[in-house]
Amino acid sequence: QKEVEQDPGPLSVPEGAIVSLNCTYSNSAFQYFMWYRQYSRKGPELLMYTYSSGNKEDGRFTAQVDKSSKYISLFIRDSQPSDSATYLCAMSARDDKIIFGKGTRLHILP
Amino acid sequence: GAGVSQTPSNKVTEKGKYVELRCDPISGHTALYWYRQSLGQGPEFLIYFQGTGAADDSGLPNDRFFAVRPEGSVSTLKIQRTERGDSAVYLCASSMRGVEQFFGPGTRLTVL
Repeated sequence: QKEVEQDPGPLSVPEGAIVSLNCTYSNSAFQYFMWYRQYSRKGPELLMYTYSSGNKEDGRFTAQVDKSSKYISLFIRDSQPSDSATYLCAMSARDDKIIFGKGTRLHILP
Repeated sequence: GAGVSQTPSNKVTEKGKYVELRCDPISGHTALYWYRQSLGQGPEFLIYFQGTGAADDSGLPNDRFFAVRPEGSVSTLKIQRTERGDSAVYLCASSMRGVEQFFGPGTRLTVL
């Protein structure tokens, strides 16, 4: 079993819809939970990070962490075509090296 | 301000050759990370520097891979006797604080 599991998609939704992206993990030592966005042929860009459990909101983006279920989510409200990208969940135990999921390819249809 | 830069952006080499990939971190960032991303996969950790020293090199796949950061800024990832399986995008990231890592655009390495 990989440490971080993420459905690679692709996920296609109409513009304006709410998008839900999820990851599960197996290592209970993970304390830091991140979401990165990656456009084609670009490096990953940090969207949000959360320490331990709870929710965090930034504009149209909300990140949720449920450590009891080892499950994290990213919600995107009022999705736009410019949100089309690969979304990578990522985790760290000690605030240094990051373990990434495979990434979910998201397409927002105009 | 300038972000993380990586050179070259693309590198094509032949099996068995030696390659060097360079990373210029964001000025003032003390931590520097190298990751490797294969097609359809997330980035995979290789090595992490805090200052000039390698704090964690547990991700280097074998002794053909080596990285240095002699003055605590620029880093070079060196791959000896390249193999076709080394083909991937090599990503560099830097940070002031741990997991808030800022990534460069990567070097796309192709081994023929």
